Amino acid sequence: GESVGLHLPTLSVQEGDNSIINCAYSNSASDYFIWYKQESGKGPQFIIDIRSNMDKRQGQRVTVLLNKTVKHLSLQIAATQPGDSAVYFCAENTADAGNMLTFGGGTRLMVKP
Amino acid sequence: DSGVTQTPKHLITATGQRVTLRCSPRSGDLSVYWYQQSLDQGLQFLIQYYNGEERAKGNILERFSAQQFPDLHSELNLSSLELGDSALYFCASSPHGLGLAGFEQYFGPGTRLTVT
Repeated sequence: GESVGLHLPTLSVQEGDNSIINCAYSNSASDYFIWYKQESGKGPQFIIDIRSNMDKRQGQRVTVLLNKTVKHLSLQIAATQPGDSAVYFCAENTADAGNMLTFGGGTRLMVKP
Repeated sequence: DSGVTQTPKHLITATGQRVTLRCSPRSGDLSVYWYQQSLDQGLQFLIQYYNGEERAKGNILERFSAQQFPDLHSELNLSSLELGDSALYFCASSPHGLGLAGFEQYFGPGTRLTVT
């Protein structure tokens, strides 16, 4: 995406391998978390979400893990495909903040064929 | 396609000028959010409107303002533009926004603003 110019951490994986993207969030009061995928020239696209009363949630090929003790969120992508190449952002939300999202810095995932 | 539309897609203007960015939320969504994505600061929340009223404010400069109209579309006005305002501006929408966490936001394709 247009975050190309950012000095983003990059994760490079082989096609077919599993990917794990990590995120440390800042607000212990956050009660909702989302992972977004941003491809070049596009807006962020919703991948999966999780509420603070859960520690794991699975989607299609993706799993989000939440560790509130250390304020850590991870996104696991199974059998990574070339189409998964993008920048991934975690975002946190606090209800009393009007549902605004606070985004992490992003991780670039590069999938090697 | 998220269902959120933004116009224009690209905008090139000079320092000191004023521009208006437009956003149409998904059908039925009452909340509109504006975000700025610059090369050195990632995605930053600017402002939220819910059903025509300002709901939350983030790192929005005083030179910037927004509004949401009765038909729920929103406009972001950027004035006295500076080189540092060059960025991607995203609009997002969600069904709710009054203290109800847990509703994903759907992002539009963005407007790329270049200030020369």
